[in-house]
Order: sequence, then structure tokens, then C-alpha cells
Amino acid sequence: GIQVEQSPPDLILQEGANSTLRCNFSDSVNNLQWFHQNPWGQLINLFYIPSGTKQNGRLSATTVATERYSLLYISSSQTTDSGVYFCAVRRRGGSEKLVFGKGTKLTVNP
Amino acid sequence: DGGITQSPKYLFRKEGQNVTLSCEQNLNHDAMYWYRQDPGQGLRLIYYSQIVNDFQKGDIAEGYSVSREKKESFPLTVTSAQKNPTAFYLCASSTTSRESLYFGPGTRLTVT
Repeated sequence: GIQVEQSPPDLILQEGANSTLRCNFSDSVNNLQWFHQNPWGQLINLFYIPSGTKQNGRLSATTVATERYSLLYISSSQTTDSGVYFCAVRRRGGSEKLVFGKGTKLTVNP
Repeated sequence: DGGITQSPKYLFRKEGQNVTLSCEQNLNHDAMYWYRQDPGQGLRLIYYSQIVNDFQKGDIAEGYSVSREKKESFPLTVTSAQKNPTAFYLCASSTTSRESLYFGPGTRLTVT
């Protein structure tokens, strides 16, 4: 099946810093989503972005489908950005399910 | 408020007992999903359903069962056949067109 690799696995920042999280995938996709899981376990959908660029406040995402990667940018990070960021993809022409990466754990210190 | 509810938040059971986790959504989504998350890991798909009275196995369906008798509800039963049931269980839903996933708050199941 499709492989999803996220990097870095862990990231520690000071409040106010910027960061870039990466998601590489091994096959063509027709669905790619970014999620944030807060320290209490709640998963929030950040972006549905199988291709192109989107922005939502301090967060933006870019997917370059032809090169099989997606980037999540966090600017002016805040302590509430802490948690785990997951990328999930679905292979083009494959089964219905999304495959999740193992996530990037972000810690933002005050 | 529209959303997904899961109950209970924490659940403790003895080994050998079946247990049913509840998931209800009022988003009018056709598709519903159950995922399992183990510490430090990503999410793995247990079962999913795209329409009432129909569901498909995911990657780790062994030891689990589901039903989809109503659009709003997709309960998951963890049976005694599941060898390592202690985990965080997440329910999600989506439209069938866009397929952006929306998650419930999760149920932490501990079996001793």
C-alpha cells in the first residue's frame, strides 16, 4: 500500500518561531488532509489539500502532487499549536481509506 | 451544534468481556469510520461505512464488529477475540464527495 512519511518526528520551538512540517508519500494521491491532535486527543481537520496551496490564518499548506510531498507551515507559533500534526492520504485509484503518517510532535514553549 | 459525540470518554473492562463504544453524528454525513490509535502511533482504520446497512473492513478489523442501522450512529464492539484491545478509539465522519474527515473526541479503553 501507499507509504506516508512525516518529518521531523519531533520539533521544539519557542513561541513566535516559524516552522515547516513535511509529508512525503509514495504514490499518486487524490486526497490529502492535515490534522492537528491536541494534548487531550481531539483531532481537528486543518486542510483538505490534494494539490495546490491554502492558507488559514497563521497556517498554510502546499501540496506538490507531481513530486509527492506536502508541506504545512506554521508562522508565529503559539503554545496552543502544541500537539501532533498528522498527514493522511488516499492513493489515486485505490480503496476508499485514508492512510495516516505517524505524525510530527510539536512542542511550543513560552 | 453539529458534531460527533463518543461515549464514554474513559472505559475500563476486564479481559474476556465484550464492550461497545458509541458514536453519533448530526452532521448528516453519509460515511463513518472507526480508527484505533496506540501511543506514539498514527491512526489505523478498523471499519468504515459509506451507507446505512453496509460497512467494510479496514486494516485491523479482526476482533471488532460494527453495525450501521441508522445514518447517525455507528457503534463499535470490541470483542474478547481482540488480543490487545487497550487503545484510544476515534470515530470520524465525512461526506462521500469531499471526504474531509471530522473526528469525535475519542474513547480511551483500558482492558485488564
